[in-house]
Amino acid sequence: KAGVTQTPRYLIKTRGQQVTLSCSPISGHRSVSWYQQTPGQGLQFLFEYFSETQRNKGNFPGRFSGRQFSNSRSEMNVSTLELGDSALYLCASSSRGPLNTIYFGEGSWLTVV
Amino acid sequence: LAKITQPISMDSYEGQEVNITCSHNNIATNDYITWYQQFPSQGPRFIIQGYKTKVTNEVASLFIPADRKSSTLSLPRVSLSDTAVYYCLVGDNAGNNRKLIWGLGTSLAVNP
Repeated sequence: KAGVTQTPRYLIKTRGQQVTLSCSPISGHRSVSWYQQTPGQGLQFLFEYFSETQRNKGNFPGRFSGRQFSNSRSEMNVSTLELGDSALYLCASSSRGPLNTIYFGEGSWLTVV
Repeated sequence: LAKITQPISMDSYEGQEVNITCSHNNIATNDYITWYQQFPSQGPRFIIQGYKTKVTNEVASLFIPADRKSSTLSLPRVSLSDTAVYYCLVGDNAGNNRKLIWGLGTSLAVNP
């Protein structure tokens, strides 16, 4: 069974630009969550999508948005990039059963210059 | 919501047993406890999960006392490759009121 796939793995953007990151969950998983992780920091929850609907949202500004498609694939978008947005963005998928077993992708490294 | 605390860092030596404790005083009835391992520049990897008492798999054991206000991840005979950050996760993944609370991670350094 293929794992969570994130693209691109690395990217460099300029302040003010926007970026879109993509995530393909494990087959059969309908929940996709996004996290931001900066060097030395823990996991900061961005949002979760389930069945194409945003179910939970973390404390991030409106510049951070996401969506989920009917095939459960998800994208997140960051507009008007700031230097502080440089981070590892992790996507995780789960079946949303009672267990907390969520599976992460390798992440997308975003550098804003 | 459960508030989670875990040690920021730990040091150990190859071959030793390492125990990392996570405190979650406000754990709810439906919450499970899960531990993840993360290497630099990679996504966290699932290690073990439990609800109460003891769970053991091929890589670790998880001890949860009766009151479930804490849990201890036990890594037997660590090696250099176990150097990583270990995260404790508490929450209920089901339903619309799903809440998952992450600890800030414990950075484990295994020395030769």
